[in-house]
Amino acid sequence: QQQVKQSPQSLIVQKGGISIINCAYENTAFDYFPWYQQFPGKGPALLIAIRPDVSEKKEGRFTISFNKSAKQFSLHIMDSQPGDSATYFCAASITGNQFYFGTGTSLTVIP
Amino acid sequence: DAGVIQSPRHEVTEMGQEVTLRCKPISGHNSLFWYRQTMMRGLELLIYFNNNVPIDDSGMPEDRFSAKMPNASFSTLKIQPSEPRDSAVYFCASSLDRYPDYGYTFGSGTRLTVV
Repeated sequence: QQQVKQSPQSLIVQKGGISIINCAYENTAFDYFPWYQQFPGKGPALLIAIRPDVSEKKEGRFTISFNKSAKQFSLHIMDSQPGDSATYFCAASITGNQFYFGTGTSLTVIP
Repeated sequence: DAGVIQSPRHEVTEMGQEVTLRCKPISGHNSLFWYRQTMMRGLELLIYFNNNVPIDDSGMPEDRFSAKMPNASFSTLKIQPSEPRDSAVYFCASSLDRYPDYGYTFGSGTRLTVV
C-alpha cells in the first residue's frame, strides 16, 4: 500500500513557468515531509523539507506548501528552468522511523 | 568526501545467476539503507543497517535476496538466483543517524538487468 501518493507522474512546463507537484498522505502521525530531486544516472538528493507546524517553506525558487487538514503537501518551482528537469520525489516519515517515498514526477522544462 | 559509492554502475546478467551489488557509505555514517527503484513501485526500502547490524529487512522481497555489512565501510546486496523481475535500479544510502531529519545521502545506483 502506497503511504504517500504523488501526482502527476510527468509534467512539462515552459521555461519561466511554475511547476507544481502534489502529494497526499493518510498517516496523521507523519511529522516530516522532504522532497528529493533526482537527475538521470544519479541518486535522489534532498531538496527541501517541511514539518507540519508551518504551512509554507521557501528556499530560493522552491516552495513547499503544506495543508495539514487536507493531508496534502506540494512542491512549487517558480521560474522553472531547463536545469530543473529531473524526477522529483516527495516523502513522509515519523521522526525516528523510515521514509516513505512517492512514486516520483518526471519534470521537463522546455526552453 | 566522495559520497556514497556503489559498484557496479550497470550489471547485466542471465536469469539464475548470482548478482552482488556493493556499497561504500560515507565515512562516519552509521546507518546504511538499500533501496530498489522501479517505475511501477517507485523507491522501496529493502533493508537498513545501524552500526553494521541489520535492523529491519522486512522489505526484502524474498529469500533470494540477502544483505551483509561486515564493517562500517562496506555492504553487499546479493540476489541468488536472479530473475527478470529483479531488474531495477538499486540504491544504497547512508546517514549519520538512524532516520535523520536532514535526509539520506544516496549513491548513484546500480542498474541491474536480468535477461
